[in-house]
Amino acid sequence: DAGITQSPRHKVTETGTPVTLRCHQTENHRYMYWYRQDPGHGLRLIHYSYGVKDTDKGEVSDGYSVSRSKTEDFLLTLESATSSQTSVYFCAISAGRDTGELFFGEGSRLTVL
Amino acid sequence: AQSVTQLDSQVPVFEEAPVELRCNYSSSVSVYLFWYVQYPNQGLQLLLKYLSGSTLVKGINGFEAEFNKSQTSFHLRKPSVHISDTAEYFCAVSPSMDTGRRALTFGSGTRLQVQP
Repeated sequence: DAGITQSPRHKVTETGTPVTLRCHQTENHRYMYWYRQDPGHGLRLIHYSYGVKDTDKGEVSDGYSVSRSKTEDFLLTLESATSSQTSVYFCAISAGRDTGELFFGEGSRLTVL
Repeated sequence: AQSVTQLDSQVPVFEEAPVELRCNYSSSVSVYLFWYVQYPNQGLQLLLKYLSGSTLVKGINGFEAEFNKSQTSFHLRKPSVHISDTAEYFCAVSPSMDTGRRALTFGSGTRLQVQP
């Protein structure tokens, strides 16, 4: 158990509404990540953080923003949700110093109607 | 930048038969390689990883993978599968030099379906 908690685990919302997903870790790891998982695409990186208030974009960042005001929390926000953002979202933390290995949360399933 | 190709989206196999899940990667720099498994409605769990050294890597649940630098491949194998191995398997890479991002790039996944 890597000490990662995602909330909410399931959410249904309507197009145009804001949505925030939360990732909480108890491991005090510096690096945190948000990925989305879609059939046929595997996992794609949305945003990542390398410290408090230090964040950067991944490959599919359009329509998403993130914030990290505390080491333990990494928030993913959809300012105005669209149906194309229906997906399963995974938070991850970097496990090893230089190995690239990641530990993943259980995922948050978001449905945008 | 790195990319990963998993050629087989689904692999059906009978219980106790051997299986190979294929993974090819592309990268201009040296990489670390990983296989993750995802059981239904769960997160991803590390099966095994190649960082350096022996090209044959053994992981959990009887899986192993072989790194082939000349063919840029990292195929996953198991000599005898069980029903409980039914899951989705993801190959992933990251640059071996610390670029500061340390993110993994994933393939599209292979769904292993073990039939009785």
